[in-house]
Amino acid sequence: GQQVMQIPQYQHVQEGEDFTTYCNSSTTLSNIQWYKQRPGGHPVFLIQLVKSGEVKKQKRLTFQFGEAKKNSSLHITATQTTDVGTYFCAGRHGGSQGNLIFGKGTKLSVKP
Amino acid sequence: ETGVTQSPTHLIKTRGQQVTLRCSSQSGHNTVSWYQQALGQGPQFIFQYYREEENGRGNFPPRFSGLQFPNYSSELNVNALELDDSALYLCASSAPGPGTDTQYFGPGTRLTVL
Repeated sequence: GQQVMQIPQYQHVQEGEDFTTYCNSSTTLSNIQWYKQRPGGHPVFLIQLVKSGEVKKQKRLTFQFGEAKKNSSLHITATQTTDVGTYFCAGRHGGSQGNLIFGKGTKLSVKP
Repeated sequence: ETGVTQSPTHLIKTRGQQVTLRCSSQSGHNTVSWYQQALGQGPQFIFQYYREEENGRGNFPPRFSGLQFPNYSSELNVNALELDDSALYLCASSAPGPGTDTQYFGPGTRLTVL
């Protein structure tokens, strides 16, 4: 079946270091979304990317969608302890009617 | 907070039993999706309801079924529970229109099957 692969599975950083998580699909995505889940919490929507090559920024977070619409990345500059959590990408295949397929997530821990 | 509520918060069942989980969507949202999240995994799409009809289904057996009511609230029913059904079940509502995008998740129901 259709899958969205996400790496790395875990990332431990020192506060102030940068962090990047990558998401890949074998087939073209109609859009990709990013969610953050704090420990013990539920996924919270961060952003959606739709256009090929799109780049969006939210303060210290930068999101990219690949030119072929098969990959995406989330980069956090100068991590803070509040960034702790699991970051999921979720891709939609097959246009607006396609199911949303989540990656397995990247769990970020930040050492103060 | 998203305004999506789920009940119960936690539930313990034994193998073979049946369970019903409930979800109230965010005001103005008529599309509800259900996800299963096993420990350490990403949410897996179960199915979606739009205007009281199933509108998309993931790779889950027929013993997973659902309903959506006129007020857009929803139920997830699981029959003949198996140990592997132990997971966090998340409900998410989204704005009008099938396949629309931003998912507003509820807090989830933690189901344990013994």
